[in-house]
Amino acid sequence: EADIYQTPRYLVIGTGKKITLECSQTMGHDKMYWYQQDPGMELHLIHYSYGVNSTEKGDLSSESTVSRIRTEHFPLTLESARPSHTSQYLCASSDRRGDEKLFFGSGTQLSVL
Amino acid sequence: AQSVSQHNHHVILSEAASLELGCNYSYGGTVNLFWYVQYPGQHLQLLLKYFSGDPLVKGIKGFEAEFIKSKFSFNLRKPSVQWSDTAEYFCAVSSYNTDKLIFGTGTRLQVFP
Repeated sequence: EADIYQTPRYLVIGTGKKITLECSQTMGHDKMYWYQQDPGMELHLIHYSYGVNSTEKGDLSSESTVSRIRTEHFPLTLESARPSHTSQYLCASSDRRGDEKLFFGSGTQLSVL
Repeated sequence: AQSVSQHNHHVILSEAASLELGCNYSYGGTVNLFWYVQYPGQHLQLLLKYFSGDPLVKGIKGFEAEFIKSKFSFNLRKPSVQWSDTAEYFCAVSSYNTDKLIFGTGTRLQVFP
């Protein structure tokens, strides 16, 4: 079944560690997005991609980086995690052609101690 | 479990018509409520949000939404739509102290001149 997957669902890690949050979709969507959300608050776009080898920074400045080597895969990396990175990270995708409807992953809750 | 229902999947209107998009949620506690919009070719943007206070919330571009606690609803309204309002609209809910934002399935609005 076509879907969008994020792993891990929860991650607790110490300061200074390198982490990668995984996001994969099986819908063949060109566009993919990473959003950051603090508890109870609204989403902020931190990265997006319109296709392979295309990545752009979003509205909210983030120390994370992303890559898009394959259409279906859009991982987010933090080279050195800090407590200020503690947040919920949501991945989404949409089809470039016609329908712009967003499909969201289940999110990764990151806690940096 | 929390859930969000958007009953209108696809709405077609002529310019100057009035708009109301339904949003109902299921959660018994204190909630934060959001409406997001995604214009064709663009990423998701926040239209308006309700955290507390006046249940009638005004957002950007002439949109407003009313929180009716007894009906568990947060309907989006605009008195007179424009062609540029053509977009996908998402309702979202988060409880006051959790990390998760729950989205509705979205409503696609098409406005014809």
